[in-house]
Amino acid sequence: DGGITQSPKYLFRKEGQNVTLSCEQNLNHDAMYWYRQDPGQGLRLIYYSQIVNDFQKGDIAEGYSVSREKKESFPLTVTSAQKNPTAFYLCASSTALYQETQYFGPGTRLLVL
Amino acid sequence: KQEVTQIPAALSVPEGENLVLNCSFTDSAIYNLQWFRQDPGKGLTSLLLIQSSQREQTSGRLNASLDKSSGRSTLYIAASQPGDSATYLCAVKRASGAGSYQLTFGKGTKLSVIP
Repeated sequence: DGGITQSPKYLFRKEGQNVTLSCEQNLNHDAMYWYRQDPGQGLRLIYYSQIVNDFQKGDIAEGYSVSREKKESFPLTVTSAQKNPTAFYLCASSTALYQETQYFGPGTRLLVL
Repeated sequence: KQEVTQIPAALSVPEGENLVLNCSFTDSAIYNLQWFRQDPGKGLTSLLLIQSSQREQTSGRLNASLDKSSGRSTLYIAASQPGDSATYLCAVKRASGAGSYQLTFGKGTKLSVIP
């Protein structure tokens, strides 16, 4: 089955700790995205990547970092600089940057201990 | 700055009723508009995508319309079923300069269909 997987489903972060959220796709898509969703809010773009070894900041990139070493993978690191990391994180991909539709993963819920 | 508004924030209807969800946007210079469905604690599933040159798109019991000049879109759901209960989000795509694009999401309408 083709699709996007995110892991873990739930993630707990301690104060001052960096954590990494995984996103993998086997759709052969060039473009990948990370969004943050807070309760009752729309999705906000954190980072996006058009192709391998390239990525750009979105609207709320501060406190986050990404890498795109492989076409299939776009991990997101939530650093200790992100002071309010509790949210639902969604990864998405599309054939090309903002072309056609975006396909979303099941999400990771990040909670702070 | 593009702003996307969805009204109402929540809607509860009896099973079998036809219903309309609304989406409005402030900047009419859009490339397309999408409607998504999100189940609790899950990712988004694309329902319909309307290009800026189109007026409507249909898929089964769903019909989405777009009036770009007035900055409005509606999602019509016919003969609603309890399985339609979910949050529905709309998103617009527009150019953000330097050959890049931006997708702006509304906050969603939470639909409950009562058996």
